[in-house]
Amino acid sequence: KTQVEQSPQSLVVRQGENCVLQCNYSVTPDNHLRWFKQDTGKGLVSLTVLVHENDKTSNGRYSATLDKDAKHSTLHITATLLDDTATYICVVGDRGSALGRLHFGAGTQLIVIP
Amino acid sequence: DMKVTQMPRYLIKRMGENVLLECGQDMSHETMYWYRQDPGLGLQLIYISYDVDSNSEGDIPKGYRVSRKKREHFSLILDSAKTNQTSVYFCASRDRGDAEQFFGPGTRLTVL
Repeated sequence: KTQVEQSPQSLVVRQGENCVLQCNYSVTPDNHLRWFKQDTGKGLVSLTVLVHENDKTSNGRYSATLDKDAKHSTLHITATLLDDTATYICVVGDRGSALGRLHFGAGTQLIVIP
Repeated sequence: DMKVTQMPRYLIKRMGENVLLECGQDMSHETMYWYRQDPGLGLQLIYISYDVDSNSEGDIPKGYRVSRKKREHFSLILDSAKTNQTSVYFCASRDRGDAEQFFGPGTRLTVL
């Protein structure tokens, strides 16, 4: 059973618009939550990590929130650029795993058009 | 600059052939991982290696084996590849006590 669900599956926005990506998870016990950006044909690049209840992080035009009670996270991208076109993957760490097991969402494919 | 490398980046094999995927890291990380990524699915864990010659099955180990003879190298081996092993394979490494995994660029394997 998928333990990390992302929505929407895909999203098209115009350059300059803002967008919000959602992540819901059922991993228990949960450790941290990390958002990755994956350009087409490339590896995963970490954007931000959230650790604590009600964490909020900011990394340039990317900002993220975490609600551990609701097991929900959002990734906000402001003033999108064409280079933001990528798949964004939500990953939840399993606190019960000594080997650092991660649970991956299937990703949201973001397409930014001119 | 911390780095995880994978070779080759692209590979085409015929069903029944053997496949060797290589992964290297220059961070002296103890733990390394092999994943596969298929369309519409999250990355799935194939194998974990705690250190040299200390490997553990992940969630989908069937049809794969691994080898780790040096800390900086972790190999994924497919003996007699099958068409359903067509996928993108990612290697990752992690330092002890740190939650972050660092990912390689991936190897796109096509089995015909």
